[in-house]
Amino acid sequence: AQSVTQLGSHVSVSEGALVLLRCNYSSSVPPYLFWYVQYPNQGLQLLLKYTSAATLVKGINGFEAEFKKSETSFHLTKPSAHMSDAAEYFCAVAKSGGTSYGKLTFGQGTILTVHP
Amino acid sequence: KAGVTQTPRYLIKTRGQQVTLSCSPISGHRSVSWYQQTPGQGLQFLFEYFSETQRNKGNFPGRFSGRQFSNSRSEMNVSTLELGDSALYLCASSPNGLAGSTDTQYFGPGTRLTVL
Repeated sequence: AQSVTQLGSHVSVSEGALVLLRCNYSSSVPPYLFWYVQYPNQGLQLLLKYTSAATLVKGINGFEAEFKKSETSFHLTKPSAHMSDAAEYFCAVAKSGGTSYGKLTFGQGTILTVHP
Repeated sequence: KAGVTQTPRYLIKTRGQQVTLSCSPISGHRSVSWYQQTPGQGLQFLFEYFSETQRNKGNFPGRFSGRQFSNSRSEMNVSTLELGDSALYLCASSPNGLAGSTDTQYFGPGTRLTVL
């Protein structure tokens, strides 16, 4: 079975500071990994995904994530936080095909607060 | 290309009633997945449909059901509503249900269901 753990339900940073949101996964096979963002009263927007092509993945809005197999991690980073980054972020894992069709397994989410 | 649309956006029902939610996927996407989002349980997978067939199902009671039409639009139904069914219901579409590394789920804005 797959699972995802996001360390820290709340992260607070100052505008312009580094953003680091942590995600660890467990999977019996090489997974596909995703980061989504959710703004209040909205659905989920895809930030980026890892599919084994490259360990460092660049996404939208200046976010990137690095896949580290040895640490089973897929942490999300952004060099300089902006006020508009305040939202809830979800890490998710998927397995290709079989009984996993169409299923993302999500972490519990991390609420990012950005202070002026 | 238009995104995933969900109707209605908000619903208020009373215990014991039933409800039907609708989802229109991105044009060309044949897979539709449904998720329930609550503060306590987070994002949980309900089921996935592909070409009018349910291929995958999460751990929810039989009161939760769905179907998909030939144009890939999907509906989910919850019968005999309980207070605990109050949640944001999210629909996501993808070309093939995460069957390959290039496949990605795109989410709709959700339907907020309140059960009184």
